[in-house]
Amino acid sequence: LAKTTQPISMDSYEGQEVNITCSHNNIATNDYITWYQQFPSQGPRFIIQGYKTKVTNEVASLFIPADRKSSTLSLPRVSLSDTAVYYCLVGDKGNYQLIWGAGTKLIIKP
Amino acid sequence: NAGVMQNPRHLVRRRGQEARLRCSPMKGHSHVYWYRQLPEEGLKFMVYLQKENIIDESGMPKERFSAEFPKEGPSILRIQQVVRGDSAAYFCASSPSSGGATDTQYFGPGTRLTVL
Repeated sequence: LAKTTQPISMDSYEGQEVNITCSHNNIATNDYITWYQQFPSQGPRFIIQGYKTKVTNEVASLFIPADRKSSTLSLPRVSLSDTAVYYCLVGDKGNYQLIWGAGTKLIIKP
Repeated sequence: NAGVMQNPRHLVRRRGQEARLRCSPMKGHSHVYWYRQLPEEGLKFMVYLQKENIIDESGMPKERFSAEFPKEGPSILRIQQVVRGDSAAYFCASSPSSGGATDTQYFGPGTRLTVL
């Protein structure tokens, strides 16, 4: 299973765009990249998943360069309620033992 | 359309007692995962079950821990003779298929176990 590396923490301000980058140098050909969000005292929640290039949904965008060794989660115009821990995970259909790192603790300030 | 339900939300046990954690997956989901989370850490995989089958329990300690997902009723994570080191948040997730990492996992609110 590919290991991922993310910044431990990030700060930003309301209304800003936030980009969180995840490194996964050993990503395999069939691996997908998935991001989850976790609020304190809650279970994680799926945000977005992608394989290559760019994926966008109503919550975020995911940018994946051609070599796929990294990915960037982009949150447009964040609000205080986006304060949470964000996890980047990598795996394919056969990987149900997802490896969760410590994630990135994002703090949004007024 | 109810999400994943876990109960109890908080559980306090004394050392040596048994803890029984329950998880009801989302309607239509037959795949259940259990995770453990310590403060300021990521989730650690414990076990993956399908209805009436344990598919992978390699993340679960061999002693004192067991899990089941019967044909009827919730999935149960059972911890016998609890020790202080078992204190953690235990999360259950469900998915509609066995797509591994490509499947969205839907998480419950967790059970916070405190061992005195």
